[in-house]
Amino acid sequence: DAGVTQSPTHLIKTRGQQVTLRCSPKSGHDTVSWYQQALGQGPQFIFQYYEEEERQRGNFPDRFSGHQFPNYSSELNVNALLLGDSALYLCASSFWGQGFYGYTFGSGTRLTVV
Amino acid sequence: RKEVEQDPGPFNVPEGATVAFNCTYSNSASQSFFWYRQDCRKEPKLLMSVYSSGNEDGRFTAQLNRASQYISLLIRDSKLSDSATYLCVVTRPADSNYQLIWGAGTKLIIKP
Repeated sequence: DAGVTQSPTHLIKTRGQQVTLRCSPKSGHDTVSWYQQALGQGPQFIFQYYEEEERQRGNFPDRFSGHQFPNYSSELNVNALLLGDSALYLCASSFWGQGFYGYTFGSGTRLTVV
Repeated sequence: RKEVEQDPGPFNVPEGATVAFNCTYSNSASQSFFWYRQDCRKEPKLLMSVYSSGNEDGRFTAQLNRASQYISLLIRDSKLSDSATYLCVVTRPADSNYQLIWGAGTKLIIKP
């Protein structure tokens, strides 16, 4: 039973560029949440997707956008990259309506902006 | 003030020692509480949920004091493999759902 998979594992981008990160949820899960974790900090909630809609959003600018596909997989897009966007981006999947029971993280994508 | 605050760390302790982590949260509407463990450059993994009655899992004991809005984690007889960052997490009501609010974590280094 595959867990949460994220791709790519590492990425280096230049300021001003755009990036797309991908997440496949754990089998049976239908909800995907994205987090940004800067070095030495806890994860910060970006947004959550369920039924292909953004259900909740944290305090992130519109440069951060996402999408969920019919197969429950999800993408995180960041436009106009800033140096401060360098972080570990974590995806977590769960089953809508079960709260945080079974909440499972992927191993993350480490984004470096130069 | 951050919504979830933890000891800044790092904690450097000898193997076999008892270690205590403290966490305070500011939102009295928080409903659920967790401790996560995160190894270097890895994803966080759930260590244990925290209940008002307190709960124990082997060498790990977690306690919650809702009145003081305080959460603790105690590790007894620490092992080298306990070296990691320990993150305190609370849920915040948001619309019809909840969000996870994370502390910055406390790094633990167990020395032989």
